[in-house]
Amino acid sequence: QVQLVESGGGVVQPGGSLRLSCAASGFTFSSYGMHWVRQAPGKGLEWVAFIAYHGSNDQYADAVKGRFTISRDNSKNTLFLQMNSLRTEDTAVYYCAKSRGYPTPYFDYWGQGTLVTVSS
Amino acid sequence: DIQMTQSPSSLSASIGDRVTITCRASQSISSYLNWYQQKPGKAPKLLISAASSLQSGVPSRFSGSGSGTDFTLTINSLQPEDFATYYCQQSYSIPYTFGQGTKLEIK
Repeated sequence: QVQLVESGGGVVQPGGSLRLSCAASGFTFSSYGMHWVRQAPGKGLEWVAFIAYHGSNDQYADAVKGRFTISRDNSKNTLFLQMNSLRTEDTAVYYCAKSRGYPTPYFDYWGQGTLVTVSS
Repeated sequence: DIQMTQSPSSLSASIGDRVTITCRASQSISSYLNWYQQKPGKAPKLLISAASSLQSGVPSRFSGSGSGTDFTLTINSLQPEDFATYYCQQSYSIPYTFGQGTKLEIK
């Protein structure tokens, strides 16, 4: 069965950096695009970033463009999100999600999420 | 960016009721509309893709309809496990925006 397990969350000061990981299993990771979606405490869902199955195409929400970088290692079935210049408004649970239906994707499997708290 | 607006924001209903949640897009998105269910402390779960395609394993009491700018999620004969927050999401263009959510509560 499909499993997505995020890690790397924690508490970081404004301006700091954090790298999230998402370990995938139960499907051919290298054949699917992947997304990061976040949810601020008590708020709704916000799409953050997408990376194509081959890793050569990525897209970002304006709120994180230039600060976050999505990447993947298909040999290790792992997705990453490098987050730099973090702001208090980046505080959220970050979910990785498997993509289906390219180029009009939906998110058919989600991880359990990892909490990122940006605070001084 | 395409804005997604759900109504109502919250809804109280009883076991066995039929409920409808509406999602409106700020521009036409054809049928590129998906619905998710989220329970407290859990990840969202995909219910319906492409406006009306029920995902495998999702009970048939859930259904979706619509195209263009107006979409609905209908739940027939509410069950206890259906009380959750529901989100619509457009996959027509980046950024892939979500509605603000509809919280379905027990009356």
